[in-house]
Amino acid sequence: ETGVTQTPRHLVMGMTNKKSLKCEQHLGHNAMYWYKQSAKKPLELMFVYNFKEQTENNSVPSRFSPECPNSSHLFLHLHTLQPEDSALYLCASSQAQGPLEQYFGPGTRLTVT
Amino acid sequence: GEDVEQSLFLSVREGDSSVINCTYTDSSSTYLYWYKQEPGAGLQLLTYIFSNMDMKQDQRLTVLLNKKDKHLSLRIADTQTGDSAIYFCAENGGATNKLIFGTGTLLAVQP
Repeated sequence: ETGVTQTPRHLVMGMTNKKSLKCEQHLGHNAMYWYKQSAKKPLELMFVYNFKEQTENNSVPSRFSPECPNSSHLFLHLHTLQPEDSALYLCASSQAQGPLEQYFGPGTRLTVT
Repeated sequence: GEDVEQSLFLSVREGDSSVINCTYTDSSSTYLYWYKQEPGAGLQLLTYIFSNMDMKQDQRLTVLLNKKDKHLSLRIADTQTGDSAIYFCAENGGATNKLIFGTGTLLAVQP
């Protein structure tokens, strides 16, 4: 248990659906991250939030829409996804400064059909 | 550009030492990290090293950093079957909160 929880753990959705992934951290951190992990590819950073403000959008398609209502919660809203978006989506948190010890949640396994 | 490379697979026998290697390109990295990922789980931070150090030891783990060659290694002493996992090396590339990860090395420990 890392102090970062993600729901749901598994999600199957059609290309026309809209769904949201949720992440919550109980570590008192002020930075949160979304990563995409696909087979045989490096972990891809998608979004970074510092103190609820988005500071990084790594050329992510607009069908992925992040939301950070407070320092403890992070959402990833999904709509009109493609099959190639199927992957493990990982949330992480850290302090915004210092050695950047990122703590990861267990991930949401997303399958787009 | 920023790039982190690792070999894909390492197999060792239980009780032996494992050495996982990583090379990176960004000489401005201030911290370098090792993460572990077990099946069905997220990444777990194992240890990290500040770039002005050349070695860090934490129980069975030893991190060696050769800054000149931009080479990082993780040695696991007395490797156990519970150490079987994917190990990721990462650098922060001098940026404040952006990590660049390698593709990961799958460590298989044979009983």
